[in-house]
Amino acid sequence: RKEVEQDPGPFNVPEGATVAFNCTYSNSASQSFFWYRQDCRKEPKLLMSVYSSGNEDGRFTAQLNRASQYISLLIRDSKLSDSATYLCVVDGGLDDKIIFGKGTRLHILP
Amino acid sequence: DTAVSQTPKYLVTQMGNDKSIKCEQNLGHDTMYWYKQDSKKFLKIMFSYNNKELIINETVPNRFSPKSPDKAHLNLHINSLELGDSAVYFCASSQVDRNYGYTFGSGTRLTVV
Repeated sequence: RKEVEQDPGPFNVPEGATVAFNCTYSNSASQSFFWYRQDCRKEPKLLMSVYSSGNEDGRFTAQLNRASQYISLLIRDSKLSDSATYLCVVDGGLDDKIIFGKGTRLHILP
Repeated sequence: DTAVSQTPKYLVTQMGNDKSIKCEQNLGHDTMYWYKQDSKKFLKIMFSYNNKELIINETVPNRFSPKSPDKAHLNLHINSLELGDSAVYFCASSQVDRNYGYTFGSGTRLTVV
């Protein structure tokens, strides 16, 4: 299994739809997990942290499944402005690596 | 007030030259990073410094040398530039425990011709 793996997409989704991304990771000792968003020719920006209990921020819900070693991101009622690349990040902790996934491209269609 | 600022934004240079990229953060973070994003958009960590001390040093050619004069600054010097060094280089910073993620600068687009 690759260290961090994401479906590269692109996901072409009509506005208003719900879209879900998954990301799998290989290091079972990983400590922290994040979803980042990167717009074209811009820097990555933190979207949300991911906790085992699941967490929600408006239309966005993130979930961590440690047993199966994957994290997920759900976007409800998608907007045109959600079009971007979504990067899964797995942090092994202070003595370990920070691994970014290759990203999943999302296009929201009007 | 830019949280993580890096200069220059664009850098075009010839093969064999030596160049530097500067980074400064005003977030009070103790840890700073350099990342490289290649043409395939793959973002990979190069170096991490915690309070001026190198703590992550991924497999990077020794032509790349980071320097941290203080915990708010992390510069990247590149010797003998090669075509394959063309990429976007991002500086980032975080708190020591990294529980709240990392804040990125806007990137330096390096083109080696």
